[in-house]
Amino acid sequence: KAGVTQTPRYLIKTRGQQVTLSCSPISGHRSVSWYQQTPGQGLQFLFEYFSETQRNKGNFPGRFSGRQFSNSRSEMNVSTLELGDSALYLCASSLTPLAGGSKTQYFGPGTRLLVL
Amino acid sequence: DAKTTQPTSMDCAEGRAANLPCNHSTISGNEYVYWYRQIHSQGPQYIIHGLKNNETNEMASLIITEDRKSSTLILPHATLRDTAVYYCIVRGDNAGGTSYGKLTFGQGTILTVHP
Repeated sequence: KAGVTQTPRYLIKTRGQQVTLSCSPISGHRSVSWYQQTPGQGLQFLFEYFSETQRNKGNFPGRFSGRQFSNSRSEMNVSTLELGDSALYLCASSLTPLAGGSKTQYFGPGTRLLVL
Repeated sequence: DAKTTQPTSMDCAEGRAANLPCNHSTISGNEYVYWYRQIHSQGPQYIIHGLKNNETNEMASLIITEDRKSSTLILPHATLRDTAVYYCIVRGDNAGGTSYGKLTFGQGTILTVHP
């Protein structure tokens, strides 16, 4: 069974631009979560989508948004990029929503974004 | 929401068991303990999780103390490829809590396996 895939793997943008990252979950998994990882802040939760609905959200500004499609694939968008948005963006999938009970997430390789 | 405390770094000789401790003294009754690891520049990899009982799978064993305030991840025969950052996570499972449903990663333990 194929794992979580993320595209692109590497991206360079300039301040003020916007970017869209894509994530395809493991086949059959319907929950997709996004995380940002930076050396200073570590891994931080952005949001979770399940059945095309946002189920949970971290403490990030509104410039960070996402959506999920009917095939469970998800996209994350960052508008008006800032230098501090340079990070590894990770996507994780699980069979069912994260809330409640024992739920295991499987991570993709990440998209490394550099904002100049 | 429960927080975890892990040593910053640990060393282990190849072929020996690696025992990684984690303190989660404020864990609540319905919160699971998860372990993930992250090899440089890759996404975190799930290792194991548990609630109360000890757990074992093909990768590792998880020993949870009776009071659930601490746990130990055991890699029985460490290899060079086990060099990674190991994260102990207590997943929030209380509706309305700020970490409900989220994996909250700390700084983890850098495990270095030496030849």
